[in-house]
Amino acid sequence: GDSVTQMEGPVTLSEEAFLTINCTYTATGYPSLFWYVQYPGEGLQLLLKATKADDKGSNKGFEATYRKETTSFHLEKGSVQVSDSAVYFCASRGNAGGTSYGKLTFGQGTILTVHP
Amino acid sequence: SAVISQKPSRDICQRGTSLTIQCQVDSQVTMMFWYRQQPGQSLTLIATANQGSEATYESGFVIDKFPISRPNLTFSTLTVSNMSPEDSSIYLCSVTETGEVYTFGSGTRLTVV
Repeated sequence: GDSVTQMEGPVTLSEEAFLTINCTYTATGYPSLFWYVQYPGEGLQLLLKATKADDKGSNKGFEATYRKETTSFHLEKGSVQVSDSAVYFCASRGNAGGTSYGKLTFGQGTILTVHP
Repeated sequence: SAVISQKPSRDICQRGTSLTIQCQVDSQVTMMFWYRQQPGQSLTLIATANQGSEATYESGFVIDKFPISRPNLTFSTLTVSNMSPEDSSIYLCSVTETGEVYTFGSGTRLTVV
């Protein structure tokens, strides 16, 4: 079945540091890929997404590029802020016609803490 | 996108009892899902709630333990039956209309004592 693997956390950075959170996936065909963020005490929010190879999703300074050749969707931000402290989840969604269509498969989650 | 109201937001329950969680959406949605997020872990799909028919359960989850209802396109319930401390988790409902944008409820934090 589909699976998503995220880099181990937690990640602790100083403000304005560069952030990378690695994410790789295994799936049949070409899944859609997502990054979700969960701020303390809140529900999951969509951060960005990409639906086909070489697509770049971006939002709030975060970016991720769908790399079919490496089956990856790494999350990056050039300069993090304290307000970015949250848990980040990478997820995939199977394609139409497959048994996993419509279902999101999540990675383990990465806790990010940004210090002033 | 859809707005979800999930209730209760949290509860503390005695082992052996059952809890029913409600998920109300402000618009009709095609697909509804129930997830479990165990402490410090990722989200695991429990089942897809099907309108007017039995839910489709993922491996490791059974209807007797997690009965689900979906009487219409805007409402679903998940019951956690005969609870044990291992059922202590956050339970979330999620909806999508297009399969491109998923909205999540704020979750129900369940503690079983």
